[in-house]
Amino acid sequence: DVKVTQSSRYLVKRTGEKVFLECVQDMDHENMFWYRQDPGLGLRLIYFSYDVKMKEKGDIPEGYSVSREKKERFSLILESASTSQTSMYLCASSLTGNGYTFGSGTRLTVV
Amino acid sequence: ILNVEQSPQSLHVQEGDSTNFTCSFPSSNFYALHWYRWETAKSPEALFVMTLNGDEKKKGRISATLNTKEGYSYLYIKGSQPEDSATYLCALGKSSGSARQLTFGSGTQLTVLP
Repeated sequence: DVKVTQSSRYLVKRTGEKVFLECVQDMDHENMFWYRQDPGLGLRLIYFSYDVKMKEKGDIPEGYSVSREKKERFSLILESASTSQTSMYLCASSLTGNGYTFGSGTRLTVV
Repeated sequence: ILNVEQSPQSLHVQEGDSTNFTCSFPSSNFYALHWYRWETAKSPEALFVMTLNGDEKKKGRISATLNTKEGYSYLYIKGSQPEDSATYLCALGKSSGSARQLTFGSGTQLTVLP
């Protein structure tokens, strides 16, 4: 069964910590995405990548960076976590022009 | 930033009722409209992808229609069941160089009461 795997389901971090959220897909998809989901705001795109070492900013990239060293892995980095980054983070992958396959999400709480 | 709007934001129906909700989007540079179903504690699951004006797709008791000229899509659920309770997301893909990325609405949260 094809899938997108996110490393943690729940995560609690302190303000100012550097946080890594990992996402791995086994479908050989070229595109990978990081979204955050907040009540009433829907899914908002943080960053996406269409190839290894390539990245593009989404709608809300501030405070985040990403890394894609291998095709199957896309990491989201919070350089210095803040309470405003408490959210549900969803990773997804796709072939261009097709729908997404999502991971199960990471609920991050920054205290 | 594209504006994809869904209404209503939430909906409670009785088991057996039929229901529908709306996704509105800007009709220029349309590429594709996606519907996803997101149950609590699970991953969003793809329901439909529609690309042509007048498209109608069906999966069991769930169906969807698309009007690209006026910029809306309807999702219908016939004879709702408690297991239909979920958040239903629509997402727009645009053709102008960003066919890879989707812009999501904020979702319609459906609760089906037994």
